[in-house]
Amino acid sequence: SQQGEEDPQALSIQEGENATMNCSYKTSINNLQWYRQNSGRGLVHLILIRSNEREKHSGRLRVTLDTSKKSSSLLITASRAADTASYFCAVSGGSYIPTFGRGTSLIVHP
Amino acid sequence: EAGVAQSPRYKIIEKRQSVAFWCNPISGHATLYWYQQILGQGPKLLIQFQNNGVVDDSQLPKDRFSAERLKGVDSTLKIQPAKLEDSAVYLCASSSLKGMNTEAFFGQGTRLTVV
Repeated sequence: SQQGEEDPQALSIQEGENATMNCSYKTSINNLQWYRQNSGRGLVHLILIRSNEREKHSGRLRVTLDTSKKSSSLLITASRAADTASYFCAVSGGSYIPTFGRGTSLIVHP
Repeated sequence: EAGVAQSPRYKIIEKRQSVAFWCNPISGHATLYWYQQILGQGPKLLIQFQNNGVVDDSQLPKDRFSAERLKGVDSTLKIQPAKLEDSAVYLCASSSLKGMNTEAFFGQGTRLTVV
């Protein structure tokens, strides 16, 4: 079934650096959502990008979508220790059901 | 706006016992999802409701799992009998029907440990 696959599985950076994580999928989608999950907590919605959109911003977050390559990227600029979390992409196809990958674990060192 | 509410937050049961989880979605959200997240993995959809009707339950282990959303608002997910492999976080999410292409918002989840 359709699901996003995040890459890399793990990312370790210093505070102030930028973090980029990618999501690839296999079939056409209606939208793609990015979520953050801190240890032991629920999923926090970050950004939804629709299939006819190419880029969206929210604060320090920038999401791009390339439907020809079936991929999306999430850029976190000027990262902070508080950004340490797991990041998931969820793709929605014709059924509009968000389907998740295994996530990218981001560690930001102070 | 209140978020998705789930209870309990934590539950420990012995295998073969039964357990129930409760979810109250965001007010006005017609679509409700239950996901299972095993440690180290992404959430996996168990069931999707639209109002009080089931849209997709293809990945729900129906021999032991059941879910209902009787009045199209609150929902309960039940496991009976529980197995060790059911240890996971159970997440409830909701989204509005507006245009269908809308965000899904998640609750804090219920962490289930089966011993």
